[in-house]
Amino acid sequence: LAKTTQPISMDSYEGQEVNITCSHNNIATNDYITWYQQFPSQGPRFIIQGYKTKVTNEVASLFIPADRKSSTLSLPRVSLSDTAVYYCLERGSGNTPLVFGKGTRLSVIA
Amino acid sequence: DADVTQTPRNRITKTGKRIMLECSQTKGHDRMYWYRQDPGLGLRLIYYSFDVKDINKGEISDGYSVSRQAQAKFSLSLESAIPNQTALYFCATSDTQRGAQETQYFGPGTRLLVL
Repeated sequence: LAKTTQPISMDSYEGQEVNITCSHNNIATNDYITWYQQFPSQGPRFIIQGYKTKVTNEVASLFIPADRKSSTLSLPRVSLSDTAVYYCLERGSGNTPLVFGKGTRLSVIA
Repeated sequence: DADVTQTPRNRITKTGKRIMLECSQTKGHDRMYWYRQDPGLGLRLIYYSFDVKDINKGEISDGYSVSRQAQAKFSLSLESAIPNQTALYFCATSDTQRGAQETQYFGPGTRLLVL
């Protein structure tokens, strides 16, 4: 079962900033927070990962508060091609496989 | 990711038939995984393997079996296919070297229809 909680779906217009928040109520001290993106009929792909504070790459930013009970994936100025399902996961001990929940289905509207 | 390939990409079979889905990777990763995805749902883990001699059941292993023939190959078998095994199947690999920052790389998927 997924250890995280995130909204089932979100809608956004092109050009807007989209923030998807995930709850990590039972995150372990050593867990990293990881986000994956899945386009229709494709496998998920890694987009960003962090432990605390803020991480930014060419695709997105990830904000993790000091208590690490939540994380927020921020997609700047979304386009139609950002329509996808976004999964937040906790990556912990080496012998625990990743658990994907249902993710957040983001629909970007023109 | 072209480094993880799955064959076949699409398959139609009949109830009761035995079929095998194959996964190969050129990333040199130790760990390999099989997931299934049903419409509107997330990915559910079927089996995973942390090295050639290691096989573990995932969340939904009933009705499936796997074989890790080599580091680069991980096959999923449906011994007697049934219609509710109709789904999109993904293979994935990961590298243990990065520890808690381990990233999974997914294949393109196999779309299976059981009639």
